[in-house]
Amino acid sequence: QKEVEQNSGPLSVPEGAIASLNCTYSDRGSQSFFWYRQYSGKSPELIMFIYSNGDKEDGRFTAQLNKASQYVSLLIRDSQPSDSATYLCAVNDFNKFYFGSGTKLNVKP
Amino acid sequence: DAGVIQSPRHEVTEMGQEVTLRCKPISGHDYLFWYRQTMMRGLELLIYFNNNVPIDDSGMPEDRFSAKMPNASFSTLKIQPSEPRDSAVYFCASSPVGGVKNIQYFGAGTRLSVL
Repeated sequence: QKEVEQNSGPLSVPEGAIASLNCTYSDRGSQSFFWYRQYSGKSPELIMFIYSNGDKEDGRFTAQLNKASQYVSLLIRDSQPSDSATYLCAVNDFNKFYFGSGTKLNVKP
Repeated sequence: DAGVIQSPRHEVTEMGQEVTLRCKPISGHDYLFWYRQTMMRGLELLIYFNNNVPIDDSGMPEDRFSAKMPNASFSTLKIQPSEPRDSAVYFCASSPVGGVKNIQYFGAGTRLSVL
């Protein structure tokens, strides 16, 4: 069984701060990694994906991947109240996505 | 594109009844996935199809669950007979490609309540 671990939170940050979300995975052979955002009662929405070690930036979002440590993170700069949601980390293993349980983020105005 | 379309959005049924959930993937997407989400178990993959062919159904919980994809634009997930423990949100997702660059887009989901 592939394991994807996330701190359930809630993670509370003030508006304008940087939110840091973390994820570890068990399968060293995993090759692609995803962050989804899920608002309460809604479906998962793709935020970012990353394949290679290092950082990938898209607007206020930065995904970081360290395959040696089996660690993926998502940084959200200038956090807004609208970023308040559950963030799901997913690992792709031959087309099968394994999801973490999600980290709930609260951005306080 | 309208995205992945699921129906119904909500389904309430009684234990023992047959339930059919429907999904229309994004046009041109060759992969279709069915997931179930519960508070206890999170988001779990049930089954996925490639070019209408079931590839991996190891996540289907038991024989009461079945899924079909008769053509590239339609898939069903059927539960017969339904049980209260099947209550969950069921998501369908599709992807244009497989492998490392498999990127999945989710439908709005069907919230199933079995009484």
